[in-house]
Amino acid sequence: QSVLTQPPSVSAAPGQKVTISCSGSSSNIGNNYVSWYQQLPGTAPKLLIYDNNKRPSGIPDRFSGSKSGTSATLGITGLQTGDEADYYCGTWDSSLSAGQVFGGGTKLTVL
Amino acid sequence: EVQLVESGGGLVQPGGSLRLSCAASGFTFSSYAMSWVRQAPGKGLEWVSAISGSGGSTYYADSVKGRFTISRDNSKNTLYLQMNSLRAEDTAVYYCAKESGSIVGATTYDYWGQGTLVTVSS
Repeated sequence: QSVLTQPPSVSAAPGQKVTISCSGSSSNIGNNYVSWYQQLPGTAPKLLIYDNNKRPSGIPDRFSGSKSGTSATLGITGLQTGDEADYYCGTWDSSLSAGQVFGGGTKLTVL
Repeated sequence: EVQLVESGGGLVQPGGSLRLSCAASGFTFSSYAMSWVRQAPGKGLEWVSAISGSGGSTYYADSVKGRFTISRDNSKNTLYLQMNSLRAEDTAVYYCAKESGSIVGATTYDYWGQGTLVTVSS
């Protein structure tokens, strides 16, 4: 059971918009920056969003991130078939067992 | 270009040991914290361990504390993970990941290696 909670799957048609939620607590999302990672089938994770809402160079502005309180959201607009992947949120947890925590992952299907 | 290349994975019996390596290039290795993150077959990401850029601070997931040891050799630009008393539940692809700063947990994982598979089975 993951510390951060994500929906197991989401789906939408090409060209549409989808959002993926990530819920945590005050010891993690509530007091630390959130990152989002994309993992295409059979490949390593890739950074998509950092510091809640910043995009690394090369990541299109179709991808966006936001945070409010102890929850974060990844948004993807103009869906493409190439966006089919697993998406993970991650942040630092400052509790007694300090460490990086991830959500369980969300499988995005572009219908 | 940043490159992280893991090695050392393989098949090991329960109770055995293995040492993973991650060779880094394309950046000033000693300036950045590094982590190991694993992914069991068909499962999500699980953080394993992290080390500061200087090597002076280390952190471990409860699931591996006392069994795994993270270290780094900044003169060789290499990250290590010594894994002892391995269990079946340690079976996973192990990724090394670079943080975007020198302090563990303060930043994000901006680069990941391709991973190395560790299988613990008799």
